[in-house]
Amino acid sequence: DGGITQSPKYLFRKEGQNVTLSCEQNLNHDAMYWYRQDPGQGLRLIYYSQIVNDFQKGDIAEGYSVSREKKESFPLTVTSAQKNPTAFYLCASSTGGSSYNEQFFGPGTRLTVL
Amino acid sequence: EDKVVQSPLSLVVHEGDTVTLNCSYEVTNFRSLLWYKQEKKAPTFLFMLTSSGIEKKSGRLSSILDKKELFSILNITATQTGDSAVYLCAAIDYGGSQGNLIFGKGTKLSVKP
Repeated sequence: DGGITQSPKYLFRKEGQNVTLSCEQNLNHDAMYWYRQDPGQGLRLIYYSQIVNDFQKGDIAEGYSVSREKKESFPLTVTSAQKNPTAFYLCASSTGGSSYNEQFFGPGTRLTVL
Repeated sequence: EDKVVQSPLSLVVHEGDTVTLNCSYEVTNFRSLLWYKQEKKAPTFLFMLTSSGIEKKSGRLSSILDKKELFSILNITATQTGDSAVYLCAAIDYGGSQGNLIFGKGTKLSVKP
């Protein structure tokens, strides 16, 4: 089945540890995105990538890093520099291009820092 | 600063009621507005609105955009308990990149039997 997968579903980490969230898509989409959602908040853009080997910072990139070595994969690393990492993280992908194309979301990863 | 504001933030109704959710936006490079329904996990796409004054419908849901007054509404008629969710509104911003979304905080709708 085509879609976006994120793993793990739940993730716990101790303060001071880096952790990497996985996002994979088999939709052949060029563009991929990472959002963060906090209670009572909308989704906020962390990083996005329009093409392989290229990515740009979103609105809240500090304390996060990404890579885009393969079209199918866009992992997000939450570093120890992120002051408040506990949140729900959503990955999305779209066909990209010069006009807007619908973003399809993965099931999300809930990260809790202990 | 670009922003999207939704109201109310939460709403409790009974089955069969009609509800109207509001979304206003201030986005410099506005192109279109999207509505999503989010239950427990990922948001699911409902509507994309680009032209002003043209209503889009899907079953009991409908939505319209007013580009002069910079807002959109989402109507749900004959609500059911399955409509309980957070409804997110997002504006497509083309400033500096292609098709980034600016989300509102959402409206949490609870439909009671």
